[in-house]
Amino acid sequence: SQQGEEDPQALSIQEGENATMNCSYKTSINNLQWYRQNSGRGLVHLILIRSNEREKHSGRLRVTLDTSKKSSSLLITASRAADTASYFCATDVRTSGSRLTFGEGTQLTVNP
Amino acid sequence: NAGVTQTPKFRVLKTGQSMTLLCAQDMNHEYMYWYRQDPGMGLRLIHYSVGEGTTAKGEVPDGYNVSRLKKQNFLLGLESAAPSQTSVYFCASSRRGALMNTEAFFGQGTRLTVV
Repeated sequence: SQQGEEDPQALSIQEGENATMNCSYKTSINNLQWYRQNSGRGLVHLILIRSNEREKHSGRLRVTLDTSKKSSSLLITASRAADTASYFCATDVRTSGSRLTFGEGTQLTVNP
Repeated sequence: NAGVTQTPKFRVLKTGQSMTLLCAQDMNHEYMYWYRQDPGMGLRLIHYSVGEGTTAKGEVPDGYNVSRLKKQNFLLGLESAAPSQTSVYFCASSRRGALMNTEAFFGQGTRLTVV
């Protein structure tokens, strides 16, 4: 079963708007990571947030982590058409050793 | 600056045929992973390796074998391909394990179709 579950499954917005994606997970984590996948390509790491952090920024990206609710959100501000991609959260899952477990992803479409 | 390279990029197999997917990384990473990606199911871990000469099973290991004879290479083998193995396969590597707060680097994927 998937550790992380993204919500929504698909999101369509206009250029310039903000996009928010959510991720929920089931077990204790050491860190949570967000990845981006352009159509037909491999995944690219965006940002990592540790379990003792609540918020992290990187450029137009803002990630929050609420360990009490076992959830995270990824906010992309001032979206661009080039942000169109699938976004995945991944967790390390303390009981699984060295593995990253991925959710099913959110497909983001940014319309020009 | 190649990163993680997968070969081949595309392959069509007949049921029962065998093949090997090659993953090579030039970042001197200890950890390597094989995932498969199917529509609506995200990425599922097949096998992984925490160092040269080691391998371990992931979530969906049945029907696959792996080897890590050299640190930079991680091979995924299908001994007798089945249509259920039609998928996009991704290799990834990381400097240390996920628990150590390190990111994973992915290859571009291999699209495999079994007919």
